[in-house]
Amino acid sequence: SQQGEEDPQALSIQEGENATMNCSYKTSINNLQWYRQNSGRGLVHLILIRSNEREKHSGRLRVTLDTSKKSSSLLITASRAADTASYFCAEAGNMLTFGGGTRLMVKP
Amino acid sequence: NAGVMQNPRHLVRRRGQEARLRCSPMKGHSHVYWYRQLPEEGLKFMVYLQKENIIDESGMPKERFSAEFPKEGPSILRIQQVVRGDSAAYFCASSLTGRGGTDTQYFGPGTRLTVL
Repeated sequence: SQQGEEDPQALSIQEGENATMNCSYKTSINNLQWYRQNSGRGLVHLILIRSNEREKHSGRLRVTLDTSKKSSSLLITASRAADTASYFCAEAGNMLTFGGGTRLMVKP
Repeated sequence: NAGVMQNPRHLVRRRGQEARLRCSPMKGHSHVYWYRQLPEEGLKFMVYLQKENIIDESGMPKERFSAEFPKEGPSILRIQQVVRGDSAAYFCASSLTGRGGTDTQYFGPGTRLTVL
């Protein structure tokens, strides 16, 4: 089965609300990376969290990592319509192993 | 500093033709990765190259697909005798170092291949 599974697959919220996306993985990792992809575009790197870190912030983004549960979460606070995109977690080795992504829609 | 560049952005081929996808990494980056994305799916790793070397091609189909990253010029992903199942978005990424798990990969805008 696929590594780096995101949950939920799709999420629809109102502008201003918080959005939480979860990611589970199956093997030991060096780090986990989160990316955003706007429709029809390439991926934009959001944040990298190392295996010895538990939480990391970047602007309105907060990422947590629980290596005992092999899971990570991405929280976007005070969402905006421009946050509408697909969000992927990726286990980082020489290559990135991506999950299927969470499609986030933020309604104005 | 220009980002990762890919061309063409869109490519249409008929079954049996060849497709060549080009990727120029970010300035100073010598590590290039190719990924394929089918509609509504995540990206799947295909191949990892350094200048003049293929480091890991475990994700690339054994037949019809090849990749190179010459000393001079862009990296090329070549698909021979394309079939409809090759229709997908192909993304290239580059990184400064190849240290597994510690380096950020920067992605290009992708090439959307359509096979008629």
